[in-house]
Amino acid sequence: GAGVSQTPSNKVTEKGKYVELRCDPISGHTALYWYRQSLGQGPEFLIYFQGTGAADDSGLPNDRFFAVRPEGSVSTLKIQRTERGDSAVYLCASSLNPFNSTGELFFGEGSRLTVL
Amino acid sequence: GENVEQHPSTLSVQEGDSAVIKCTYSDSASNYFPWYKQELGKRPQLIIDIRSNVGEKKDQRIAVTLNKTAKHFSLHITETQPEDSAVYFCAATLGGASKLTFGTGTRLQVTL
Repeated sequence: GAGVSQTPSNKVTEKGKYVELRCDPISGHTALYWYRQSLGQGPEFLIYFQGTGAADDSGLPNDRFFAVRPEGSVSTLKIQRTERGDSAVYLCASSLNPFNSTGELFFGEGSRLTVL
Repeated sequence: GENVEQHPSTLSVQEGDSAVIKCTYSDSASNYFPWYKQELGKRPQLIIDIRSNVGEKKDQRIAVTLNKTAKHFSLHITETQPEDSAVYFCAATLGGASKLTFGTGTRLQVTL
C-alpha cells in the first residue's frame, strides 16, 4: 500500500477482554515500531522489529502486552486482560532500514483503544 | 535511557510572527533529532531533522538548531501561517536500530 495501514481504527472493549491490533507497514520497510500515545502526550515506545524478530521490546509495560511479526511484514499487537489504563491510541510506524542510517519513521493513523 | 523534555507545552502566536520550540535531551550519545508535526486526529509526520554532525538545518520557513554541548535543540518557524497550527514533537535517538524517544509535545496555535 501507499502508507502504513492500521486496523481497526477504533476499538471499544470491556475490561478483562483480549484485543488484537494490526499493522501493515509500507512495502519493503524492514523496521517496524509500535508506539502508544495517551491524550496530550508524545508517542511512547513499546517495541521494535527488524524483520521478523523483536530487536527491542523494552517499552512493553508488562507481560499482558505481546507483539508478533511472523513473516517480516504485517505485525499484530496483542493485549491480554485489558485494563482501563490501556486506553490510548496505538501507533505503528515503519522505516526503510535503520541500521546504516536513521531513517524517517512513517506512522499509521493509529488504532484508538478504549477500555470500559 | 534517553529522556527528552520539551517546552513550552502551548504556544500562541499571531500570523506572520515566529515560533520557537525548545527541547533538551539527556543521553550525550544521541545523534539524530527529528521533529514531527501532528494535526488533530492525524498521524505524526516528519517535518525536519538534524544529525549530530550539523549545527543548523533550514528548510524554507522551518529551521532546527542543535547545541551538542548543552544537549538541546530547537525548532524555529518563521512567518507563521494558520496551517502551521498543530502539535509539534521533538525526538532523539542513538541512531541505527535504536528507538526514538519523544518529547511531550507543543501545541502551536497561529491566530489571525
